[in-house]
Amino acid sequence: AQKVTQAQTEISVVEKEDVTLDCVYETRDTTYYLFWYKQPPSGELVFLIRRNSFDEQNEISGRYSWNFQKSTSSFNFTITASQVVDSAVYFCALNQAGTALIFGKGTTLSVSS
Amino acid sequence: DAGITQSPRYKITETGRQVTLMCHQTWSHSYMFWYRQDLGHGLRLIYYSAAADITEKGEVPDGYVVSRSKTENFPLTLESATRSQTSVYFCASKTTSMSSDTQYFGPGTRLTVL
Repeated sequence: AQKVTQAQTEISVVEKEDVTLDCVYETRDTTYYLFWYKQPPSGELVFLIRRNSFDEQNEISGRYSWNFQKSTSSFNFTITASQVVDSAVYFCALNQAGTALIFGKGTTLSVSS
Repeated sequence: DAGITQSPRYKITETGRQVTLMCHQTWSHSYMFWYRQDLGHGLRLIYYSAAADITEKGEVPDGYVVSRSKTENFPLTLESATRSQTSVYFCASKTTSMSSDTQYFGPGTRLTVL
């Protein structure tokens, strides 16, 4: 069965702190894709990144970085030097079967100034 | 404007009433999806459609009906709304059935059933 676990329900940090959001997934397939979405207070879902199961290279985009480790079935998301605008709910999701996404329950990140 | 839109953005209805949530996309994406978002559950799939006139149930389909007569539209109907259907509903679309395809989401509809 497919499953995505985001064990951290809420995280609070102060601006400029680094923060890592954890994502652990379960799947029996060898080919799958992992995604991160951001949901700011305005409510829309914004696509951040997609990673396939054959590419374990870490990815960096500005202050955002992602660490994918198949050995631990994890796809963690780090924000460096957090800012107030990073406050949002972050969702990790898995797509194995080709159609719908399996979402984690989300992590609410609060960044205070 | 190009993209995926949902209407209404907010809706209050009463138990037992029928309500339809609209979803429209301008990308000509084949696949469209309806999810609901509830505290403590993340997003859960209600229904999806691979093409016009093709629909499939998701994880939580009970109490919902969908149709897809045109590729660009994917309405979701609650035939007899219940309080447990109070939620935020998101429509999404993607190009193909490939797992690699990114799903893009509409702005959501916040539905309250009194």
